[in-house]
Amino acid sequence: ETGVTQSPTHLIKTRGQQVTLRCSSQSGHNTVSWYQQALGQGPQFIFQYYREEENGRGNFPPRFSGLQFPNYSSELNVNALELDDSALYLCASSLGQGIDTQYFGPGTRLTVL
Amino acid sequence: TQLLEQSPQFLSIQEGENLTVYCNSSSVFSSLQWYRQEPGEGPVLLVTVVTGGEVKKLKRLTFQFGDARKDSSLHITAAQTGDTGLYLCAGVDNYGQNFVFGPGTRLSVLP
Repeated sequence: ETGVTQSPTHLIKTRGQQVTLRCSSQSGHNTVSWYQQALGQGPQFIFQYYREEENGRGNFPPRFSGLQFPNYSSELNVNALELDDSALYLCASSLGQGIDTQYFGPGTRLTVL
Repeated sequence: TQLLEQSPQFLSIQEGENLTVYCNSSSVFSSLQWYRQEPGEGPVLLVTVVTGGEVKKLKRLTFQFGDARKDSSLHITAAQTGDTGLYLCAGVDNYGQNFVFGPGTRLSVLP
């Protein structure tokens, strides 16, 4: 139990639609990172937010965007869904930045048909 | 782009056996982390190694960071069925912000 929750658990969308995934970090954790984990692969870094500002971004197109709120919740938005977006989406919260310990949520399984 | 490779990809052993899994890169990382992930859950941090040549022990698990900070290994002694899972290594880039994960080693420990 990491204290990080994600919703929904599972989601099915069709190609071209938009989706919003939600994460609730541990209280006091100022950093949230989002990852995409395709089946059989390791997580890939999407972006990181620190105190509501984007603080780093991986190799993902602009249709992947995020928000972080003062109440330690955050969102990952994906526009114009593609079949390859089907994956487990993980959020991780940490107290600070960099090598600080990350606590992962259980993930949201997104299927794009 | 900093990439991490892990080997073997899959490993199936009997309970009580020893095993070593590897994490390699051509890039230098400021630190490496090892995680274990079980089905339906997010990864859970096992250890962070920071100094080249560093060895850390966690009960039956021994982690080593290469002298050049490009590789790491995880050795499990007397594996138990509860060790079953996906073992991921992750490196922090030299800016200290971006985590790069390897593809993982899927370990099955059979009773």
